[in-house]
Amino acid sequence: AQSVTQLGSHVSVSEGALVLLRCNYSSSVPPYLFWYVQYPNQGLQLLLKYTSAATLVKGINGFEAEFKKSETSFHLTKPSAHMSDAAEYFCAVSENTGFQKLVFGTGTRLLVSP
Amino acid sequence: SQTIHQWPATLVQPVGSPLSLECTVEGTSNPNLYWYRQAAGRGLQLLFYSVGIGQISSEVPQNLSASRPQDRQFILSSKKLLLSDSGFYLCAWSVQGGSGELFFGEGSRLTVL
Repeated sequence: AQSVTQLGSHVSVSEGALVLLRCNYSSSVPPYLFWYVQYPNQGLQLLLKYTSAATLVKGINGFEAEFKKSETSFHLTKPSAHMSDAAEYFCAVSENTGFQKLVFGTGTRLLVSP
Repeated sequence: SQTIHQWPATLVQPVGSPLSLECTVEGTSNPNLYWYRQAAGRGLQLLFYSVGIGQISSEVPQNLSASRPQDRQFILSSKKLLLSDSGFYLCAWSVQGGSGELFFGEGSRLTVL
């Protein structure tokens, strides 16, 4: 069965600094990978997804992630943090067979200081 | 375009009372439907999913049940709420045969006192 590990329940950065949120996955078959963002008391919004095309995926709000099969990683980055990026971020994996069911990581809360 | 709505947005209920959360999807047919729960400080836990009318799969044995009376309607219920049922409940849908990408509703915050 697939699984996701997000290292760091909280990440703090200064405004303008690089954002790096880590995600490692486990899957027995080629995976589909996703990053979602959640603002307080709201549902989850898709940031970007990897579905076996280009390994570097660009998403909304200036975020991107790179699929590295050898490292089983799908880390999320943004060159320069904005205050509005403060939110919780979830990595998720689904296996590319049969019924697609997402498995989520436990989330990383991004804090951005002025 | 597709939209998903769930209600109520906020609910405060006493222990032992019933629960009904409703979710509807518009602009698509035959979606997969899901209920997730997010407890304070924890990740998302998949509670139920459905691939068609009347077809419900339960991921965790618990005090809750789900029903899908119509193609684009998904209902989460309980006969008697427990304190541990408090949390943020999220409905979601995905395209059948797709990548598994989920589209989420706005969420329902349940507080059981």
